[in-house]
Amino acid sequence: AQKITQTQPGMFVQEKEAVTLDCTYDTSDPSYGLFWYKQPSSGEMIFLIYQGSYDQQNATEGRYSLNFQKARKSANLVISASQLGDSAMYFCAMREHIRTGANSKLTFGKGITLSVRP
Amino acid sequence: GAVVSQHPSWVICKSGTSVKIECRSLDFQATTMFWYRQFPKQSLMLMATSNEGSKATYEQGVEKDKFLINHASLTLSTLTVTSAHPEDSSFYICSANGQYNSPLHFGNGTRLTVT
Repeated sequence: AQKITQTQPGMFVQEKEAVTLDCTYDTSDPSYGLFWYKQPSSGEMIFLIYQGSYDQQNATEGRYSLNFQKARKSANLVISASQLGDSAMYFCAMREHIRTGANSKLTFGKGITLSVRP
Repeated sequence: GAVVSQHPSWVICKSGTSVKIECRSLDFQATTMFWYRQFPKQSLMLMATSNEGSKATYEQGVEKDKFLINHASLTLSTLTVTSAHPEDSSFYICSANGQYNSPLHFGNGTRLTVT
């Protein structure tokens, strides 16, 4: 079974508007972390935001916020005030067993392509 | 912040030759590094986990003898694509981490083209 699911087709948003990128996950481990990365056409992976499974509050980083709904196992990324430079591929990822301190791998979803229209 | 340097950024080689890709953690020690492969418009697929001082752990379906990984020091891991073929053409990207709950730090990737 897929651990990270990103099913949205390519997303379009008007500049300065907000957009939500969906992500659902599957794990039986109570200790996990969820990450969002941005990958522009140049290929580098840019870390955006992190949410730990035990975090009480939703994570926020500037224009990025994470709508974490633990019971539904969803971790949607919200980008406010979209900019043209936000056009990129966005990946949701999960890391399990984070409290054991083990160097566990990061599992990625398929990604979502976001295009910001001027 | 933490930086991972990956070299080369792109390489073109002839079929049958071998290519080595280096991944260095510049300002922290990485006991574990991860190697991913990415085809155009697709996700990152983990190939192997590189552990300093021990053998790498390969994901199912990844040929160990074709993708040789060496992690000889706490700051350097290398991936060698042996006897490369056109189907090995892809984007290879490495990552390393410090704390278990911190984001992985990625190199900028290597675009390999085998002719």
